[in-house]
Amino acid sequence: GIQVEQSPPDLILQEGANSTLRCNFSDSVNNLQWFHQNPWGQLINLFYIPSGTKQNGRLSATTVATERYSLLYISSSQTTDSGVYFCAGPDAGNNRKLIWGLGTSLAVNP
Amino acid sequence: NAGVTQTPKFQVLKTGQSMTLQCAQDMNHNSMYWYRQDPGMGLRLIYYSASEGTTDKGEVPNGYNVSRLNKREFSLRLESAAPSQTSVYFCASSPETVYGYTFGSGTRLTVV
Repeated sequence: GIQVEQSPPDLILQEGANSTLRCNFSDSVNNLQWFHQNPWGQLINLFYIPSGTKQNGRLSATTVATERYSLLYISSSQTTDSGVYFCAGPDAGNNRKLIWGLGTSLAVNP
Repeated sequence: NAGVTQTPKFQVLKTGQSMTLQCAQDMNHNSMYWYRQDPGMGLRLIYYSASEGTTDKGEVPNGYNVSRLNKREFSLRLESAAPSQTSVYFCASSPETVYGYTFGSGTRLTVV
């Protein structure tokens, strides 16, 4: 199986600051995803990004599959960006099972 | 469009009691999943169902059973609840594989 490691575990920002979250995988993946869990517990899928770069508003993600890492960029952070960001990748040999990182907990202060 | 609906949202059980967590999706997804989330442990897969009529164990299946009642519904049963099963439970669905997950809003379960 693969291991998924996220850094940093915790992050505190002032509103308007930029940040970069990192996700490392122990084995190569082809189906990396980023999720956000808001302070009320709701989980949503942010990006499906097996390789390359995608952007959605102030958020963008880059995956370098050959080096087994992905980065999530948050620009001009807002208080609504607070919560936990998870990355997840498929279990080797079973593409219906996701292996999750422990998340980066982000607090954006006004 | 409701997406994935979980019931109940909150539940308190006594040790040894049984209960069933319900999950239904209206997106015509083939795959459904049950996760538990504990502080410091992230999300861990309990069981999943790749398609109607099939179920498979995830990382932490002990103490749980599941039923894929039809394409829409996937229930999780605790036969004899234990304090170690205190957790937040999430149901999710996806069209086929792990791409395109949609989560329910979660069930906060406390076993005393």
